[in-house]
Amino acid sequence: SQKIEQNSEALNIQEGKTATLTCNYTNYSPAYLQWYRQDPGRGPVFLLLIRENEKEKRKERLKVTFDTTLKQSLFHITASQPADSATYLCALNTGGFKTIFGAGTRLFVKA
Amino acid sequence: DTGVSQDPRHKITKRGQNVTFRCDPISEHNRLYWYRQTLGQGPEFLTYFQNEAQLEKSRLLSDRFSAERPKGSFSTLEIQRTEQGDSAMYLCASSHDRADTEAFFGQGTRLTVV
Repeated sequence: SQKIEQNSEALNIQEGKTATLTCNYTNYSPAYLQWYRQDPGRGPVFLLLIRENEKEKRKERLKVTFDTTLKQSLFHITASQPADSATYLCALNTGGFKTIFGAGTRLFVKA
Repeated sequence: DTGVSQDPRHKITKRGQNVTFRCDPISEHNRLYWYRQTLGQGPEFLTYFQNEAQLEKSRLLSDRFSAERPKGSFSTLEIQRTEQGDSAMYLCASSHDRADTEAFFGQGTRLTVV
């Protein structure tokens, strides 16, 4: 069956360190992959999109990699801040209109 | 444009009652989506509109659920004869009519069925 897996355990890191979140998928051939941030009680907010022919994408302190051979995406936040604490969702799209979301990973950044 | 707007933000209803939620997408967006999210899970796809046409419904959407987008602008999601298992956050999102584009989500409607 098709599956998207993200670290189910929360990630706790110290302010200033780099947070790395993992998204693994099986039985998909995504045309592109997205990362969203979600705060408690609010809707997801788009962060980055990376296409299947792109290896890496950056935006300010954020970096996403996409390895279609490993079927994995890594999401990095450098110089993390307490304000980065949130749930981060990985989402796949196979080229049509439907986007499939992972369960998300909670990140806690301690001051 | 103030983004995607959902109403109400919270709804508490008794089991067996009908509820209706409204979503106002970003005005120039052709695509509109409804998702359901329960605690600790990611959003689950429910249904999708291209303008006023409902092009797909998830098998998660039982016969008690219906969605409309009558003029290709706002959309409504109705749940009839609510059950406790319907308790969840219902999220609406909209996007441009391109495959490789992000979705803009509303704040969601939190439904509690008691």
